[in-house]
Amino acid sequence: KAGVTQTPRYLIKTRGQQVTLSCSPISGHRSVSWYQQTPGQGLQFLFEYFSETQRNKGNFPGRFSGRQFSNSRSEMNVSTLELGDSALYLCATRDGNTIYFGEGSWLTVV
Amino acid sequence: SQQGEEDPQALSIQEGENATMNCSYKTSINNLQWYRQNSGRGLVHLILIRSNEREKHSGRLRVTLDTSKKSSSLLITASRAADTASYFCATDHNDYKLSFGAGTTVTVRA
Repeated sequence: KAGVTQTPRYLIKTRGQQVTLSCSPISGHRSVSWYQQTPGQGLQFLFEYFSETQRNKGNFPGRFSGRQFSNSRSEMNVSTLELGDSALYLCATRDGNTIYFGEGSWLTVV
Repeated sequence: SQQGEEDPQALSIQEGENATMNCSYKTSINNLQWYRQNSGRGLVHLILIRSNEREKHSGRLRVTLDTSKKSSSLLITASRAADTASYFCATDHNDYKLSFGAGTTVTVRA
């Protein structure tokens, strides 16, 4: 089976722009969650989706949003980017209690 | 906010030695998981221990869980250079997300 695929792997954006990150889960996995990792805050939960429904959301401003499609692929969007949004964004899919992470998308905001 | 705290923050050992790191959490859990992250990469699931388990082994890994103290430890025996990475504990509270500790950076010297 292919693993969790995240695109793009690296990107640079300017303050005020918006960005969309994509995650393709392992085939058959219907739960997709997103995490932000920064040196200062560590790994922080963003949101989780199952069958196109958001089941939980972390403490992030409304500029952070996500969605899941009927094929379980998920996207997250960050609008009006700030310098502090520079981070590694990780997507994960769940099979029972085991969670599989993608390699992440490195976002740099300049 | 992060649930767990890990110590030590960093650990440097000689190849062949054992490495032990600890994790504490605040509220009751469904299970606790340990992950490894190589620099700038995604998280790799190492081992999961359920709340009703006290000890679990997987290869050179040994995990203990003490729910009365709300703490867990990860022991890596006979360390290798390839074990150099950051290790994270994550607690699952049955709320569709993981809450991560700050991580322990392990350096194995040849």
